[in-house]
Amino acid sequence: LAKTTQPISMDSYEGQEVNITCSHNNIATNDYITWYQQFPSQGPRFIIQGYKTKVTNEVASLFIPADRKSSTLSLPRVSLSDTAVYYCLVGDIEGTGGGNKLTFGTGTQLKVEL
Amino acid sequence: KAGVTQTPRYLIKTRGQQVTLSCSPISGHRSVSWYQQTPGQGLQFLFEYFSETQRNKGNFPGRFSGRQFSNSRSEMNVSTLELGDSALYLCASSRLTSGRALEQFFGPGTRLTVL
Repeated sequence: LAKTTQPISMDSYEGQEVNITCSHNNIATNDYITWYQQFPSQGPRFIIQGYKTKVTNEVASLFIPADRKSSTLSLPRVSLSDTAVYYCLVGDIEGTGGGNKLTFGTGTQLKVEL
Repeated sequence: KAGVTQTPRYLIKTRGQQVTLSCSPISGHRSVSWYQQTPGQGLQFLFEYFSETQRNKGNFPGRFSGRQFSNSRSEMNVSTLELGDSALYLCASSRLTSGRALEQFFGPGTRLTVL
């Protein structure tokens, strides 16, 4: 299973763009990169997922370089409500056979202030 | 569409007792995974069930077990509870097709406190 490394914590202010980088040097060919957000005493919530290049949805963008050994989650114009733990996961859930092979790392605690 | 539900939400037990937690996945989801979350160890994978069969297992002792029913609902059991079993237990479901299920949907968790 690919191991991920991300900063333990980050601080930002409302309205700023936040970029959280995750390292995954031993990512496998079939692995996807997924980011989850978790608020205290709640289950994690899916944010975005990608395989290569750039993926954008209504809440975030995910940048993945060609070698796929790292990825960057970009949150535009954060607000106080974005204060949460963000997890980078590398792995796959195979529809046939392999099953859930996702491993959560320690996550990044993002704190957004006024 | 209803989300993943877990019962009970909170539970207090004493050492040596056993506990059963329940998870109802999103309708149509056949894969159910269980995780343990503690402040010290973070989110750790317990096991995954698919079509009533355990397909993957994390590194937990045999006191932790689970099962899945034909309607995809799942239960996990912890026997001979220890103080260190106090944690938030999370259940996640995925809809698997012939391709890959790329997203897990998590329930709110069951907060277990062992005294």
